[in-house]
Amino acid sequence: GAVVSQHPSRVICKSGTSVKIECRSLDFQATTMFWYRQFPKKSLMLMATSNEGSKATYEQGVEKDKFLINHASLTLSTLTVTSAHPEDSSFYICSARDRALPGELFFGEGSRLTVL
Amino acid sequence: AQSVAQPEDQVNVAEGNPLTVKCTYSVSGNPYLFWYVQYPNRGLQFLLKYITGDNLVKGSYGFEAEFNKSQTSFHLKKPSALVSDSALYFCAVRDMRSGAGSYQLTFGKGTKLSVIP
Repeated sequence: GAVVSQHPSRVICKSGTSVKIECRSLDFQATTMFWYRQFPKKSLMLMATSNEGSKATYEQGVEKDKFLINHASLTLSTLTVTSAHPEDSSFYICSARDRALPGELFFGEGSRLTVL
Repeated sequence: AQSVAQPEDQVNVAEGNPLTVKCTYSVSGNPYLFWYVQYPNRGLQFLLKYITGDNLVKGSYGFEAEFNKSQTSFHLKKPSALVSDSALYFCAVRDMRSGAGSYQLTFGKGTKLSVIP
């Protein structure tokens, strides 16, 4: 099946710094990628939809200036958490749509962000 | 609006016994339904999906799910549970709000399955 790689898997940073998380589709072209946030013992919350070559569409309540999403190519989307705060600590997961396999999304392994 | 309900936060089952993880949904049109499994500190792994066709869908690792339109349910089942099946299970429905081109999924809150040796 299609593989989505997410990097880094774990990152620890200081408050006020910025952190970039990458999401790559390794063996398919992903015109659309999705970024989720998962709180402990909670479901996945969709943050934004990332379309290649265009601006991301953010869900209500998600600060676009804080969570910068770039989808510069058909295989790479990045999420940058700017001016990180301890409350941004969470598990971030990306998923990608393979247009050759309709009706299915493939998920990355997730990135655990801890802000000190 | 589309929604998914997983009524059980946790399901405990003895190894070798059959397991069921419940899911009900609400959509305005035809549902596209999915089950995913998540192991600790890992991403989601696809188990199975229902789009059209046979109501009984077979998926990975011996799991299956039955689509029941009248009860708006899509329960996940396995005839004989393994300890290695212990994980967090998510039911999801494809969000039709943004049109046919969208693949946004609405997830249930998840059910923690514990298989006891």
